[in-house]
Amino acid sequence: DQQVKQNSPSLSVQEGRISILNCDYTNSMFDYFLWYKKYPAEGPTFLISISSIKDKNEDGRFTVFLNKSAKHLSLHIVPSQPGDSAVYFCAARRSYNTDKLIFGTGTRLQVFP
Amino acid sequence: NAGVTQTPKFQVLKTGQSMTLQCAQDMNHEYMSWYRQDPGMGLRLIHYSVGAGITDQGEVPNGYNVSRSTTEDFPLRLLSAAPSQTSVYFCASSYDPPAGAQETQYFGPGTRLLVL
Repeated sequence: DQQVKQNSPSLSVQEGRISILNCDYTNSMFDYFLWYKKYPAEGPTFLISISSIKDKNEDGRFTVFLNKSAKHLSLHIVPSQPGDSAVYFCAARRSYNTDKLIFGTGTRLQVFP
Repeated sequence: NAGVTQTPKFQVLKTGQSMTLQCAQDMNHEYMSWYRQDPGMGLRLIHYSVGAGITDQGEVPNGYNVSRSTTEDFPLRLLSAAPSQTSVYFCASSYDPPAGAQETQYFGPGTRLLVL
């Protein structure tokens, strides 16, 4: 049973426009959510996170929104740049399980000129 | 700091062979984890450790052993390799961040394993 789902395997966006990546989760015990970015042949790198006590967190061009009632979160990238082209993984965990992340299947983002 | 390092980068094994994937971190992180990444499956947790001498199973532990004798090292052992263990393996380390800080889990570059 996939507890964290990313239903869009790929997304193509023009440079300068907004990229919106979506993630759904089923386990209501999750209270901390993270986004990771992964380039080919490299390990994932942390991008941004959000605690369940918030509904929005911003860091530069990246904003994560959390809708707890819908068990849904999204990552907005504005403006999108070609260097943002990568696979994005959503991950979730319980607060006290600092080390146990449950990952989604990833969304491949391509930003074209 | 080298961060999280993994060796080897790539390995080919025959079914039934055993091997150890090495992972080391120089950040003095308490927590270390092993994940495998398969197409369409995302990253799945194999084993994790909350400190030296303490390990526990993740989502997909069967066929793998771990130990954590030091803070720095967290090797993953395949006891008898099977084709189903063909995957990319990532080691990660993390820590409890100060209050208000966004936490991060640092990943190594991965080991690509092919079992024939």
